[in-house]
Parts: sequence; structure tokens; C-alpha cells
Amino acid sequence: DAKTTQPTSMDCAEGRAANLPCNHSTISGNEYVYWYRQIHSQGPQYIIHGLKNNETNEMASLIITEDRKSSTLILPHATLRDTAVYYCILWNRDDKIIFGKGTRLHILP
Amino acid sequence: GAVVSQHPSRVICKSGTSVKIECRSLDFQATTMFWYRQFPKQSLMLMATSNEGSKATYEQGVEKDKFLINHASLTLSTLTVTSAHPEDSSFYICSARAGGVETQYFGPGTRLLVL
Repeated sequence: DAKTTQPTSMDCAEGRAANLPCNHSTISGNEYVYWYRQIHSQGPQYIIHGLKNNETNEMASLIITEDRKSSTLILPHATLRDTAVYYCILWNRDDKIIFGKGTRLHILP
Repeated sequence: GAVVSQHPSRVICKSGTSVKIECRSLDFQATTMFWYRQFPKQSLMLMATSNEGSKATYEQGVEKDKFLINHASLTLSTLTVTSAHPEDSSFYICSARAGGVETQYFGPGTRLLVL
């Protein structure tokens, strides 16, 4: 079973920042927080990952709380092409990736 | 990021026939490949894990004699759905990772429709 909890769906206006929360209160010390997204009828796309520190790349920022029990994925300027299901995943890199139900993000024009 | 391809992208077959789906890592050597299945409006479900040169490890409830997996090289894994039935119609997605690499990359998926 997935060890993360995410809202089922969210809306965000185009051009605004999209903030997607994820709870992972049972995270282990060797587990990273990974985010993938799946656009309709495509395979999942890697977005970003982190262990303890906040991370930023060309796609998004990842904010992880100090106790590591929750995190937030931030898409700084959402576009219509960001409409997708976003998966927050805990992965220790030795084991397989298990997907939860994710958050269906709708970007509104 | 690294590229994983799948072929075919979609396939329609008759009930009782077998279908082979290929998964290739195009710019890296994948020591481990994974096969997932996704039904409409559901999340991805892991079917099996395969390491190059060894037998695949199947998840509970997945029939290994029905879903044959071969990982004969570091860049190619195949999934064969044997004696396909309409309930096998689904979106099949492979993923691959190289040893020591931080990220697992996913293919674009293969949509199978069994009539």
C-alpha cells in the first residue's frame, strides 16, 4: 500500500503557482520523497525528488518539512499543459516504486 | 532525462491470441526493469520486476505463466500476454533504472485492447 496521502483533486488558475500537498507521516529515514506526474494516456514523468532539504529544478520546487512528515510540490507558474495526475511517492531506491492514487490537478484557463 | 521506449504504442488483438510488448532503454543500460498495468481511472499497479539475465519477480496475484517477462539484455525487456482475454485490456507501462542512478524512468505505455 502507498504510504502517502494526497488530495484527490485540485484546481489552479493558469499562471498561478500550484501547490500540491502530500502527507507521509510514517516516512523512514532512508526514504526519499519523489514526485511524478502522468498526463492523460502517457507514462509517468519524473519531476523532482528530495531527502531532507528543499529542492528546485527547472520544473518545480519541493518543500519538505523539518520532521519530513509532509511535503509540498510547487509548480511556480502553472500552464494548461500541467494538467495531470501528480503522484507523491516514498522510495528508498532499493525497492520497487509503488503508486498511490495521486492528485488530479486541473489548470483552469 | 533518460529515455524509455515501448512498442507498440497500441495493439488490438483477438481473444486467445498472444501479444508481445517491448520496452527499451535508449540511452542507458537498465539493470532492472519493471512492468505496470493501469486500468481506466485507476493508478498504476506493479506487475513484476525483472533483472537482466534472471527470472522476473511477480507481484501477488499476477500469473507468471500468463504474463511472460524476458529481460535478455541491459536495454530490452519484453512482456508477453499469453492467451489474452478481454479482461486483459489495459494500459501497460514499463519503467527502467540503471544501477546507482537516482531516478526510475517510465515508458510511454502500450494500450492493449482484446476483442
